[in-house]
Amino acid sequence: EAGVTQFPSHSVIEKGQTVTLRCDPISGHDNLYWYRRVMGKEIKFLLHFVKESKQDESGMPNNRFLAERTGGTYSTLKVQPAELEDSGVYFCASSLGSLTEAFFGQGTRLTVV
Amino acid sequence: RKEVEQDPGPFNVPEGATVAFNCTYSNSASQSFFWYRQDCRKEPKLLMSVYSSGNEDGRFTAQLNRASQYISLLIRDSKLSDSATYLCVVSARGYNKLIFGAGTRLAVHP
Repeated sequence: EAGVTQFPSHSVIEKGQTVTLRCDPISGHDNLYWYRRVMGKEIKFLLHFVKESKQDESGMPNNRFLAERTGGTYSTLKVQPAELEDSGVYFCASSLGSLTEAFFGQGTRLTVV
Repeated sequence: RKEVEQDPGPFNVPEGATVAFNCTYSNSASQSFFWYRQDCRKEPKLLMSVYSSGNEDGRFTAQLNRASQYISLLIRDSKLSDSATYLCVVSARGYNKLIFGAGTRLAVHP
């Protein structure tokens, strides 16, 4: 069975550009999470979907970040316009029910120059 | 103050050694506790959940002290393959999100 997959694995963009990250959760997992690790810091929660609904977006840094999960399957996280401080590794995770088993994707390493 | 605090290490130990990591959390409403393992440039992977009564999985033992808001992970008979960063993770009652510590780096050498 495929795990959580994320695309792209790496992205280098210029400040001011737009980038869209994609996450495909494990099939059947209603819960989908986005996390981010900026260099030297701990992994931080961004938001949580249950199916297509945003359950908690308290971790989203600002309105330059937009997450969607149309149809309750894959999710996208768009950063527009990107700033230097957005650089980091963006992880997606999914779980069937509770947090007991949250599986992470390999992450997208975003570099804004 | 960080919600989850860990000693960043690194802990450099020889193969076969026993090593212990500690973690403290600040939110007394924390409900669920986990240890994740993260290899360099890889995703975090669940190592084990931590239960109130303590639990063991092979060479790994996790303990929880709610009164002191403290979690520990003990690794016995360290292997080279145990080299990784160990992340202490908690979640609060009613909140379906994970709060991560910054991780403790372990390096096991021959």
